[in-house]
Amino acid sequence: GQSLEQPSEVTAVEGAIVQINCTYQTSGFYGLSWYQQHDGGAPTFLSYNGLDGLEETGRFSSFLSRSDSYGYLLLQELQMKDSASYFCAVADNAGNMLTFGGGTRLMVKP
Amino acid sequence: DGGITQSPKYLFRKEGQNVTLSCEQNLNHDAMYWYRQDPGQGLRLIYYSQIVNDFQKGDIAEGYSVSREKKESFPLTVTSAQKNPTAFYLCASSNSGGARGYTFGSGTRLTVV
Repeated sequence: GQSLEQPSEVTAVEGAIVQINCTYQTSGFYGLSWYQQHDGGAPTFLSYNGLDGLEETGRFSSFLSRSDSYGYLLLQELQMKDSASYFCAVADNAGNMLTFGGGTRLMVKP
Repeated sequence: DGGITQSPKYLFRKEGQNVTLSCEQNLNHDAMYWYRQDPGQGLRLIYYSQIVNDFQKGDIAEGYSVSREKKESFPLTVTSAQKNPTAFYLCASSNSGGARGYTFGSGTRLTVV
């Protein structure tokens, strides 16, 4: 089976940088994804890491270390609109089915 | 525009009733998925389908049923056997290699009254 651990809540101020960690235990691993979900809304895809290292997409970056079964999402220049829940997800060996972590609720304060 | 449509947005069910949640996509994606989300929790997989006329159980399939008669459609039935059905239900789709990005519908919020 798959299990993922991430902090339940993180608070930061506008303009700051925040890192959301994710550790996983899996029977098969294809890659690590990150999704953002605003209250009452649908999750939206943010980033994907299939190989070790850093992937950068604008203000968001994601990192993966397969040997440590660890990844993180880095959000820079935080804005109020970044207040949302962030989920890490692991894909199975075939690269299709995702198992999600419990989510990290990010609160950005002025 | 391509996307996934879930309906209805809100659904109320009496105890002992079966209800069906609709999910339609026009993205030409092969794979479709149903997830359940409880307040403050992550997403748990109910069922998934990678091709028409084929589907597999996820982690919490008991009390649910699905069909995949068309590539575009993947309806979920919540049966009376599901003892705690009140939740937010999300449908998603992806191409093969879906790890690189699921597209989610806007969800159906089901409440038992």
